[in-house]
Amino acid sequence: AQSVTQPDIHITVSEGASLELRCNYSYGATPYLFWYVQSPGQGLQLLLKYFSGDTLVQGIKGFEAEFKRSQSSFNLRKPSVHWSDAAEYFCAVGARGTGNQFYFGTGTSLTVIP
Amino acid sequence: NAGVTQTPKFRVLKTGQSMTLLCAQDMNHEYMYWYRQDPGMGLRLIHYSVGEGTTAKGEVPDGYNVSRLKKQNFLLGLESAAPSQTSVYFCASSYRGAPYEQYFGPGTRLTVT
Repeated sequence: AQSVTQPDIHITVSEGASLELRCNYSYGATPYLFWYVQSPGQGLQLLLKYFSGDTLVQGIKGFEAEFKRSQSSFNLRKPSVHWSDAAEYFCAVGARGTGNQFYFGTGTSLTVIP
Repeated sequence: NAGVTQTPKFRVLKTGQSMTLLCAQDMNHEYMYWYRQDPGMGLRLIHYSVGEGTTAKGEVPDGYNVSRLKKQNFLLGLESAAPSQTSVYFCASSYRGAPYEQYFGPGTRLTVT
């Protein structure tokens, strides 16, 4: 069965520091992988996605993620965090079957210290 | 384009009452979804639709019904609300097939007392 694990419930970083949010997935085939961001009281916005090809993908707002098949991971990174990056981040795996269903992790809440 | 919109934004129900949440999208997407978001549990799929007139169950369908009479609209119904259905509900839509991303609405916060 498909599943996504985000091991870190909450992360605190200083503004300007680097960031890495972890995501591990379980899926029987090559996965489709996504990172979404949710600001307080808002819906989810797509940051980036991986379907195939280059395993390092670039997204919006300076984020990038690397797909590592051997580790079943799709970690999100940013070299220098801004205060406006404080939000909840969700990793998702898309199933290839009917309906383009997504399976979401439980999320990582990011706090940025000035 | 408005994208995905949800009505209402907030609602308080008493146990046993019924209500319908409306989702509308103007992107001509074939697929639509209803999720619920609870603290520490991420988003869980309630029901989804792959086209007008078709619906299917997701991970947590009990206590909910859905209808997709028009391509642009996806309705989520609670026939007899329970406190366990207190949650934030998100609608999403996507193009047919994979691996298209899902586009999300702003959410509806529902409290059942």
